[in-house]
Amino acid sequence: DQQVKQNSPSLSVQEGRISILNCDYTNSMFDYFLWYKKYPAEGPTFLISISSIKDKNEDGRFTVFLNKSAKHLSLHIVPSQPGDSAVYFCAASEGEGGSEKLVFGKGTKLTVNP
Amino acid sequence: DAGITQSPRHKVTETGTPVTLRCHQTENHRYMYWYRQDPGHGLRLIHYSYGVKDTDKGEVSDGYSVSRSKTEDFLLTLESATSSQTSVYFCATGGFPGYGYTFGSGTRLTVV
Repeated sequence: DQQVKQNSPSLSVQEGRISILNCDYTNSMFDYFLWYKKYPAEGPTFLISISSIKDKNEDGRFTVFLNKSAKHLSLHIVPSQPGDSAVYFCAASEGEGGSEKLVFGKGTKLTVNP
Repeated sequence: DAGITQSPRHKVTETGTPVTLRCHQTENHRYMYWYRQDPGHGLRLIHYSYGVKDTDKGEVSDGYSVSRSKTEDFLLTLESATSSQTSVYFCATGGFPGYGYTFGSGTRLTVV
């Protein structure tokens, strides 16, 4: 059974607008959540993370929100830029995201149109 | 990432042949992982290692074996390649808490 779900395979937004990528999880033991960005022909790169003891973490244009009661997290990108076009993976772990196994969603392909 | 090197970057092999993919890290990380990425499946864990000669299975380990004789090297072997193992393979190492993994650039394997 899929523990981390990204139900939108793709998302298209206009440059300058907000991009919202969503992720749901089923394992209540997850205590760390991460977002990765992946360009074609490259490995995924870490973007932002959040601990389960927080409900928001912000880093520049990127903000992750966590709703534990709903087992839902979202990544907001404001303002969106064409260079943000990539596949975004949501991931979760039962540890601190360093040495513990990460479980990934299937990814959402974001396209930011100029 | 400059600290993780995967080789080869691309490989085409025939069904039934053995294939070994190599991951080399200069980060001195204890934990290393092999994932495969397939359309519609995202990233799935094949095997991981928590130290030299210490390895364990992930969710899609059938048909794969691994070895880690040195901290810096983690090898993934397909004993007898099948077309279902055509995929992009990523190696990763464990990072600092909250930063997840650092990934290599991937190996694109095609089994014909």
